[in-house]
Amino acid sequence: KNQVEQSPQSLIILEGKNCTLQCNYTVSPFSNLRWYKQDTGRGPVSLTIMTFSENTKSNGRYTATLDADTKQSSLHITASQLSDSASYICVVRPNNAGNMLTFGGGTRLMVKP
Amino acid sequence: ETGVTQTPRHLVMGMTNKKSLKCEQHLGHNAMYWYKQSAKKPLELMFVYNFKEQTENNSVPSRFSPECPNSSHLFLHLHTLQPEDSALYLCASSYGTGGIYEQYFGPGTRLTVT
Repeated sequence: KNQVEQSPQSLIILEGKNCTLQCNYTVSPFSNLRWYKQDTGRGPVSLTIMTFSENTKSNGRYTATLDADTKQSSLHITASQLSDSASYICVVRPNNAGNMLTFGGGTRLMVKP
Repeated sequence: ETGVTQTPRHLVMGMTNKKSLKCEQHLGHNAMYWYKQSAKKPLELMFVYNFKEQTENNSVPSRFSPECPNSSHLFLHLHTLQPEDSALYLCASSYGTGGIYEQYFGPGTRLTVT
């Protein structure tokens, strides 16, 4: 069964600090891996998308990395802001999956002043 | 805003009620999706429509009935729901259903079944 596991489940950091969220997956082979940000009461919004051949992708203060050999991805947030408080979801699209995406359970990040 | 709207944003219904959720996308996409997001669980795909045709039904109980009259509108008709159906129901759309196509999500409908 395909799985995407994220850690930690929740994280509290101070404004201005950096943090790294982890995603381990067993999906193989896969087409692409995405990171989404979901604010409370809102739908997920895409941050980055990487194919299996890419190692890193940046979007402003967000940088995602991918190691296809170890089946790990990380999302690094630099100089955190209060507005970064949200859930961050790792999503893997298997090859030949049709319409199916495999979602992780998310990491809930809280940035405190 | 992502160009995907959902109404209502909040809904409380009894187990004997019939209600409908509505989703509309203004992005010119061809595919639309319904997802269920329960507390502390990953998003679960429910239905997929591509060019108005249903291409995926992820073993969803018949008390959930989707309808896609055109590529811009998607409905989820609800009847005789159970309390465990309480969740955030998310609609999404994409240009296509394969490969690299990005899915754009609406804000969701928070459903409470009493």
